[in-house]
Amino acid sequence: QSALTQPPSASGSPGQSVIISCTGTNSDVGGHNFVSWYQQHPGKAPKTMIYEVSKRPSGVPDRFSGSKSGNTASLTVSGLQAEDEADYYCSSYAGSNNWVFGGGTKLTVL
Amino acid sequence: EVQLVESGGGLVQPGGSLRLSCAASGFTFSNYEMNWVRQAPGKGLEWVSYISSTGSTINYADSAKGRLTISRDNAKNSLFLQMNSLRTEDTAVYYCVKGGGVDVWGQGTTVTVSS
Repeated sequence: QSALTQPPSASGSPGQSVIISCTGTNSDVGGHNFVSWYQQHPGKAPKTMIYEVSKRPSGVPDRFSGSKSGNTASLTVSGLQAEDEADYYCSSYAGSNNWVFGGGTKLTVL
Repeated sequence: EVQLVESGGGLVQPGGSLRLSCAASGFTFSNYEMNWVRQAPGKGLEWVSYISSTGSTINYADSAKGRLTISRDNAKNSLFLQMNSLRTEDTAVYYCVKGGGVDVWGQGTTVTVSS
């Protein structure tokens, strides 16, 4: 049950786009289309921004998008806004009712 | 509106026990798998345990096996986590998470294991 690999930090100016990667293995990210992305503001509970690799829950702005290639999933935030500054975590189903999370990426809006 | 409200957290000494509860509303609880996820202070998210919609299938992270027990009462729309032989490294905010597509998170309950 090794954690998925995310960059510890990412940044961009308002209006720009930023991509956060999430690298796993054939057993998790590469083997299943159950990758989710969560946004967490300080002191708050996580919120699902993307599920099943690229699906967006109702109410999540279309500035947030997800994709996957091989063992790496990506979250793209377009048109950065100040309120996007938060921690972002990926997760993946890893088979046999196991789930694994990434270590988290702190997104800073410059 | 889907709501998950955790309770039962608190301060406990190493080796002690706690029982966390999660009250669900706004959806048909018995149709959905559920998970517990925790977050140690200043750290990332860690999946702890899974239970299927009927409770017939259960799984745990290695860190939880043998000490933490997940269960549910579909008649009372409730999810539980029995925590025994607690260690200082179990100190965390524990979140109840609804699965099955879009994950919905509760607000969390804080468990502190300290002497």
